[in-house]
Amino acid sequence: DIQMTQSPSSLSASVGDRVTITCRASQSISKFLNWYQHKPGKAPKLLIYAASGLQSGVPSRFSGSGSGTDFTLTISGLQLEDFATYYCQQSYSDPPWTFGQGTKVEIK
Amino acid sequence: EVQLLESGGGLVQPGGSLRLSCAASGFEFRSYGMTWVRQAPGKGLECVSEISGRGDNTYYADSVKGRFTISRDNSKNILYLQMNTLRAEDTAMYYCAKIYRGVEAHWNDYWGQGTLVTVSS
Repeated sequence: DIQMTQSPSSLSASVGDRVTITCRASQSISKFLNWYQHKPGKAPKLLIYAASGLQSGVPSRFSGSGSGTDFTLTISGLQLEDFATYYCQQSYSDPPWTFGQGTKVEIK
Repeated sequence: EVQLLESGGGLVQPGGSLRLSCAASGFEFRSYGMTWVRQAPGKGLECVSEISGRGDNTYYADSVKGRFTISRDNSKNILYLQMNTLRAEDTAMYYCAKIYRGVEAHWNDYWGQGTLVTVSS
C-alpha cells in the first residue's frame, strides 16, 4: 500500500500569510496527487488535481507543485474562509486510494 | 449542476446491518466510477470502496472487505453501500463521491454532504 504523510499536522497562521503544506508518498506516484479542503459539517472540496491543476472555481491563491514522492500545497494570502483541514490523496495505485492524515489550518 | 445526496445512516448495534444510498443527478451517472469515503470522529478521510461505471469492477479497503458491498443501479442513478457485521470502529460520516479519470491522474471532483453511521449498543 502507498502511504501518504503530510506535514505539519496542524499550523496556526494569520490572514494574509503564505501557507505551505507538504505531502510525501512512500513510493513514486508521478503526478497522481490531489488536494482537498474539508470544513466541519461540509462536503470535502477538490482544490488541486494531478499535482498542479487548479479545479474550476477555486481561487488562484491555491497552488500545487511536485511530482514523484514530494508535493506541496501553497496558499498565497490566507483568507478567513481558508481555515479548514487539508488532505492530500494519491490516485496512482489500484483503488481504494489513500489520503494523508490531514493538516488543520487554524487562526493565530 | 452535479448533486450527490446520501441517506440511510443511523444508529445500529454492533453486528447489525445498514444500507446507505447516494442519489446522483446532473451528470451521466453510468459513465463514472463512484466511491464511498468515510471520516471517523477525530480522524482523517478513508476511502472504503469504489465501483466502476458499469458496476463490473469493485474495490474495498481491507478494513471492510468481506463485510461491505458496493453496488449501483444505473437505471435509477443510485449508488449503494451495504454494510454488514458492523463494528464500533465503523462509526463515521460516510460520503459518496464521483470519480473523474483523466489522462494525467484521477480524482474525486464532486462529493455529497454525508450521512452519519453510529455503531453502538
